[in-house]
Amino acid sequence: GQQLNQSPQSMFIQEGEDVSMNCTSSSIFNTWLWYKQDPGEGPVLLIALYKAGELTSNGRLTAQFGITRKDSFLNISASIPSDVGIYFCAGLKTQGGSEKLVFGKGTKLTVNP
Amino acid sequence: GAGVSQSPRYKVAKRGQDVALRCDPISGHVSLFWYQQALGQGPEFLTYFQNEAQLDKSGLPSDRFFAERPEGSVSTLKIQRTQQEDSAVYLCASSSFAMVEQYFGPGTRLTVT
Repeated sequence: GQQLNQSPQSMFIQEGEDVSMNCTSSSIFNTWLWYKQDPGEGPVLLIALYKAGELTSNGRLTAQFGITRKDSFLNISASIPSDVGIYFCAGLKTQGGSEKLVFGKGTKLTVNP
Repeated sequence: GAGVSQSPRYKVAKRGQDVALRCDPISGHVSLFWYQQALGQGPEFLTYFQNEAQLDKSGLPSDRFFAERPEGSVSTLKIQRTQQEDSAVYLCASSSFAMVEQYFGPGTRLTVT
């Protein structure tokens, strides 16, 4: 089963507002990634984080890799209607010589124009 | 093409039928992954290939699921004797050898009736 807890499950905001969502885990991950998924499409990579404490921006998106390596957050500033979608965090797990992504259940974002 | 492609996009199967889902990764990507995404959930890892070698199949839910990538490029996920609980979106992702960032295809939505 999945090991990442994402919150909130869903958010309803007005266009122009800032958004914050986070992801926690009971396990340590060495890499965190944030993806966005639109209906009927596969997840699209937004930001990848490789070092504990790292803060990375991509346009209006900012993500941080927690110091304990057990959490991450994603902020979206000045939201616009096309930000609507489901945001997933994912941790990269190395196990038995193989690497695999473990995903959270997602945060569904709705932006009212 | 520029991205990962999957076919068919939609598949309806009667319970007990066999299905085959195809994935064309990004050209030159060494690693290929299959995920299963149930409704309202994040993707869950099924299996991982590096070139033609299947290095991890720990996520395959039963021996009815089989994946192959014989020439290290296109991959096929086969599900034998489909059951209703197999209904989900099946996502394929690829990444280049030195990168952990996985790029997803649009998925195949499988409905078992």
